[in-house]
Amino acid sequence: NAGVTQTPKFRVLKTGQSMTLLCAQDMNHEYMYWYRQDPGMGLRLIHYSVGEGTTAKGEVPDGYNVSRLKKQNFLLGLESAAPSQTSVYFCASSYWGNEQYFGPGTRLTVT
Amino acid sequence: AQRVTQPEKLLSVFKGAPVELKCNYSYSGSPELFWYVQYSRQRLQLLLRHISRESIKGFTADLNKGETSFHLKKPFAQEEDSAMYYCALGIGGTYKYIFGTGTRLKVLA
Repeated sequence: NAGVTQTPKFRVLKTGQSMTLLCAQDMNHEYMYWYRQDPGMGLRLIHYSVGEGTTAKGEVPDGYNVSRLKKQNFLLGLESAAPSQTSVYFCASSYWGNEQYFGPGTRLTVT
Repeated sequence: AQRVTQPEKLLSVFKGAPVELKCNYSYSGSPELFWYVQYSRQRLQLLLRHISRESIKGFTADLNKGETSFHLKKPFAQEEDSAMYYCALGIGGTYKYIFGTGTRLKVLA
């Protein structure tokens, strides 16, 4: 079991560029989440999904879009990156809302 | 409003000393509370949850609904406990979680 994996691990973008972060889990979990981690702010929920084909907004959804076309994958998109989106992004998954299993994180820098 | 407060950004204790990491929450429903830990260069992982009422790595946490608190305690800190600790609140019916800002614990030799 690989658990939760995230691609890429690091990325540098210029302002205005777009990118997609991929999260994959092999635990057959229904629920998947995207968080951002910023110094002094903790983890803040961006978007989440309670099943294939469904998504919902979290605390800080602006500037991000998500898709859950397959149960095992949860994609986070940045259409036009801004320096304020410089952060570490974590994906997590859980089974019926219990313990969350986290990915290793993606460090994104927007210049 | 739903909120989790961890008042200490950094807590430094000596090895063998007791540790208490504070967590207070604001939630009108029945809370589900968790402690997650992130060791250096490792991913976040669950430490314990209030419904299981268990002790993990010597840590315990008791839910106090009157004080809306879920403080994490350990009687004798070890150097390997040095990590970032996050308190999290599960919002019933939504499967969303709200995390606190985290407390970095440093256990000094």
